[in-house]
This record gives sequence, C-alpha cells and structure tokens, in this order.
Amino acid sequence: DQQVKQNSPSLSVQEGRISILNCDYTNSMFDYFLWYKKYPAEGPTFLISISSIKDKNEDGRFTVFLNKSAKHLSLHIVPSQPGDSAVYFCAAPNSWGKLQFGAGTQVVVTP
Amino acid sequence: DTAVSQTPKYLVTQMGNDKSIKCEQNLGHDTMYWYKQDSKKFLKIMFSYNNKELIINETVPNRFSPKSPDKAHLNLHINSLELGDSAVYFCASSQDWQGSSPLHFGNGTRLTVT
Repeated sequence: DQQVKQNSPSLSVQEGRISILNCDYTNSMFDYFLWYKKYPAEGPTFLISISSIKDKNEDGRFTVFLNKSAKHLSLHIVPSQPGDSAVYFCAAPNSWGKLQFGAGTQVVVTP
Repeated sequence: DTAVSQTPKYLVTQMGNDKSIKCEQNLGHDTMYWYKQDSKKFLKIMFSYNNKELIINETVPNRFSPKSPDKAHLNLHINSLELGDSAVYFCASSQDWQGSSPLHFGNGTRLTVT
C-alpha cells in the first residue's frame, strides 16, 4: 500500500529552466515531508523538508510547496543545472517513525 | 571520513549461501536502519534500531537477522539466500527514531544471488 506516490517516473528539462516534481500522499496523518536526491551508485541524500504547519520552504534553488487539502507537495528547482540530474524521492514518516518513500522521479537536465 | 559506510559494495553469491553486510556510522546518531531497494526502485524499510534496541521490524523473512553490537554499527546477516533477495541494500542513520530528522544513507550494497 503506497502511501506516498510519485506518478512521474521521469522528467527532462533544459538547463536554466524550472524543474517541478510532484508527490501525492494518502495518509492525512503525515505531518512532515522530506525530499531526497540520489545519484547512481550512491545512497540518497537529504535535500529539503517541510512541516505541515507551513505551505512553503525554500533553500537556495530548491523550494518545496505543500497543499494539505489536496494531499500534494511539489519540489521546484530553479534554475535547473546539469548537476541536478538525479533521482528525486519524496518521503514522509508515519507516527512510528517509519519513512515511506515514493517511487522516485528521474530528472535529466539537458544543455 | 565517510559518515555512513557499508561493506561490501558488491556481493555476488549462490543460492543457499549465508552472507553478511556491515554498516558503521560516525555521526553519533542514535538510530540506524536497513532499507531494501528492489528491482522497481522502491525503497522499503526492513529494520531500525535505536540505541541498539530493535524498534521497527517489517515483514521481512526471518532469514534476515540484523545485529547491532553498539549504536555505531548495524550489520545484516542473511541466511539461505534466495534469488528474490537480489537487490540493493542501504544502511542509514538518523539522530532520532521519530522520522523527522533526515536519514544519512550509505552508498548501498548490490547483492546478486545466482
């Protein structure tokens, strides 16, 4: 039972443009969300997070937006750079601390 | 000075064998985890330990046995390996077990069972 869903397996974007990654969740008890980035042959690395008491969190080129009523969050990368080419995972912990991951979105930034 | 290190990086073995994967973290974290990334690329938790105590034990076959000799180490032993065990196994650590402090992952162990 996937409680965190990333329905776009891949995204191709030109360098300098905006990348928008989407994530939907089904568990209304989730109150914290995280994005991880993963390069091939490496482990995921933490990118940015957001608490459910906020609707936006920004860190440099990365901004996460949360729409609780829609159970939807998105990650914006502006401007996209070649080094952003990676797989991005959305995740949320349940009340027992178990982190639920989405299936990931492969981002390819083209010159 | 890698934060979370796991060995080996690659493991190729035959069905029926027993193997171990080791993990160590030097971040001073209290909680450690094992995750499995299957062929569909889903990351699923297998186990978590907080200060050497097991706190999450997913529905994993009991052929998989984690061992935490101290809070900086969490090893994974797998008995009687099966073809379906082929996957990438990630070790991770975090400051606490509640899930809101970010996980720090190792670079994974790619297990291939032939």
